[in-house]
Amino acid sequence: GEDVEQSLFLSVREGDSSVINCTYTDSSSTYLYWYKQEPGAGLQLLTYIFSNMDMKQDQRLTVLLNKKDKHLSLRIADTQTGDSAIYFCAESNFSGGGADGLTFGKGTHLIIQP
Amino acid sequence: ETGVTQTPRHLVMGMTNKKSLKCEQHLGHNAMYWYKQSAKKPLELMFVYSLEERVENNSVPSRFSPECPNSSHLFLHLHTLQPEDSALYLCASSQERGGEQFFGPGTRLTVL
Repeated sequence: GEDVEQSLFLSVREGDSSVINCTYTDSSSTYLYWYKQEPGAGLQLLTYIFSNMDMKQDQRLTVLLNKKDKHLSLRIADTQTGDSAIYFCAESNFSGGGADGLTFGKGTHLIIQP
Repeated sequence: ETGVTQTPRHLVMGMTNKKSLKCEQHLGHNAMYWYKQSAKKPLELMFVYSLEERVENNSVPSRFSPECPNSSHLFLHLHTLQPEDSALYLCASSQERGGEQFFGPGTRLTVL
C-alpha cells in the first residue's frame, strides 16, 4: 500500500534554513503537498508540486522533488519562531477511479532555537 | 481562515452517548472529507463525499456514521464510541474529487 515517511523532529536556529524531508512509495502520485499544523489548529496548505515538476519556489519556501528516488523536501529560508509547527507531507494519486483522499506522513515537528 | 468551519471544537463524551460533529465549507466546493488524526499516527482518511454521494469509506467502524445533506455541509454522527476513538477529527473540502484540499480546524474528541 501507499506509505509516506518523515522524520519526527527537526531543530534549527532562528535565521537558519530548515529542510524537511519526505519519502513516499506510490510511483503513481500525481500531486505532493506540504501542510502546516500549528498547536490547536487544523492543517494549512503551504504549497504543492505536480509530479512532473522538479522544483517550486514560493517566497521563503522551496520544494524539491526527486521523482526517481520518490523524495520530496521543503526548505524554509530564514526560519522564524512563527514557523514552529508540525509539517506534513502528503501525496495523492487521483486518477478518476481510485482513492480521493490524501496519504499523509506522521508529520515533522519543527523546533526553533533562539 | 480556510473557509472550512467545524463545530464543536472540543467534545467530551461517554461511551454510551450519541453526538454529532458538524463541518461547513463556504468555498463552493463539491467534495468533502473526514479524517482522523490520532497521536503518533498519520492522518487517516475516513470518508469521502462528492456531490453529496459517498464515494469512499475506508473500512471505518459502523459506530461512525457520516451524512452529507448538501455540498456545503458534512456531519459525522457518533454512537457507542470507544476510548481509542479519542482523536482530532478533521474535515476538508476540495473543488472536485482529488483536488487540493482545504482543512477545517478540527474537533478534539475525548471518549471517556
